Amino acid sequence: AQSVTQLDSHVSVSEGTPVLLRCNYSSSYSPSLFWYVQHPNKGLQLLLKYTSAATLVKGINGFEAEFKKSETSFHLTKPSAHMSDAAEYFCVVMNYGGSQGNLIFGKGTKLSVKP
Amino acid sequence: NAGVTQTPKFQVLKTGQSMTLQCAQDMNHEYMSWYRQDPGMGLRLIHYSVGAGITDQGEVPNGYNVSRSTTEDFPLRLLSAAPSQTSVYFCASSREARGVGETQYFGPGTRLLVL
Repeated sequence: AQSVTQLDSHVSVSEGTPVLLRCNYSSSYSPSLFWYVQHPNKGLQLLLKYTSAATLVKGINGFEAEFKKSETSFHLTKPSAHMSDAAEYFCVVMNYGGSQGNLIFGKGTKLSVKP
Repeated sequence: NAGVTQTPKFQVLKTGQSMTLQCAQDMNHEYMSWYRQDPGMGLRLIHYSVGAGITDQGEVPNGYNVSRSTTEDFPLRLLSAAPSQTSVYFCASSREARGVGETQYFGPGTRLLVL
């Protein structure tokens, strides 16, 4: 069975400082992993995805994530936060084994950026 | 190319009323799904469809009904609205259900308030 755990429900950073949003996954298969972003009152937008190619994945808006099989982690990082990064971020794993749809979502991490 | 569209954007219902949330995509995607989003819960799958004429239940199907008569449309029906169905509803589509790294495209959401 697949699952994802987002380790922080809320992260607060100052503008210009690094961002780290943590995600651990569990998967019986070689996983496909995603990060989605949701700005206030908006839909979800794909930031980046891992599909067993390079372990360091670069996404939009300067975000990147590193797949670490030994740690079963897929943490999202950005070197320097911008005010526009304030949003909710979801770590997602593709559900290959089950019958209930194709994606399993973490509960989300709300990122606040202070000026 | 409009992507995934949802109507209405916002709806207020009284307990016991019924309504249909509309979802359409113009990308010829086979897989479509409905999620509800509640604070601190991430996105939970309500129903999904792997093609026209084929639907199945997700994690939280009670009180909802779906059909898929065409590839493009996937309406969600609330049979008798209850306050517990107050939520934000997202429709999503992808080319196929479980392709490696298959990207899911989300609609802008429908905010539903049940009084």
